[in-house]
Amino acid sequence: GAGVSQSPSNKVTEKGKDVELRCDPISGHTALYWYRQSLGQGLEFLIYFQGNSAPDKSGLPSDRFSAERTGGSVSTLTIQRTQQEDSAVYLCASSLDGQGNYEQYFGPGTRLTVT
Amino acid sequence: GQQVMQIPQYQHVQEGEDFTTYCNSSTTLSNIQWYKQRPGGHPVFLIQLVKSGEVKKQKRLTFQFGEAKKNSSLHITATQTTDVGTYFCAGGMDSNYQLIWGAGTKLIIKP
Repeated sequence: GAGVSQSPSNKVTEKGKDVELRCDPISGHTALYWYRQSLGQGLEFLIYFQGNSAPDKSGLPSDRFSAERTGGSVSTLTIQRTQQEDSAVYLCASSLDGQGNYEQYFGPGTRLTVT
Repeated sequence: GQQVMQIPQYQHVQEGEDFTTYCNSSTTLSNIQWYKQRPGGHPVFLIQLVKSGEVKKQKRLTFQFGEAKKNSSLHITATQTTDVGTYFCAGGMDSNYQLIWGAGTKLIIKP
């Protein structure tokens, strides 16, 4: 079946512009996670959705970052007034449920470059 | 806060040598998961361990979960070039929706 998809795969934007990243999770997966990965680094947790609710937004680096999920499916991560330090790969993952007992399936990521 | 420490950060091996990465949690885990990220790719789930003292094998890969459910290891026997990548452990807890991720160990095969 279809895996997790993300779009765009690459995004180059000028400093100060807003960007929107999209994630389509696996159908039926209620939990959705956003991570950020800088070059050669580990995974930085950003936000978690259970259904359409985001019980934990504590990982969002600043108030320029926001995310939503609609219909228990597609999620968008929005970064306003982008800064060069926002450059990274943004990964989305989904899992069957939100308990930490389920494996996460990752999308291919969106590589964001802020010039 | 809850942490999972993973070592080493990098390991250089000759092809055919063995490789091991270790994870230690500050708290008891309900399960531990292992993922592999190939260069330029995204993390891919390898395996989940749930029981105390559990050992699982996948061909040349051996995964262990400690008796106290606080540590885990991944051992690769006779590495091949296809094993290149970064291996992450991630600990799950019953009380937490998050997986607590280790920093990863990058396996580099020396030419």
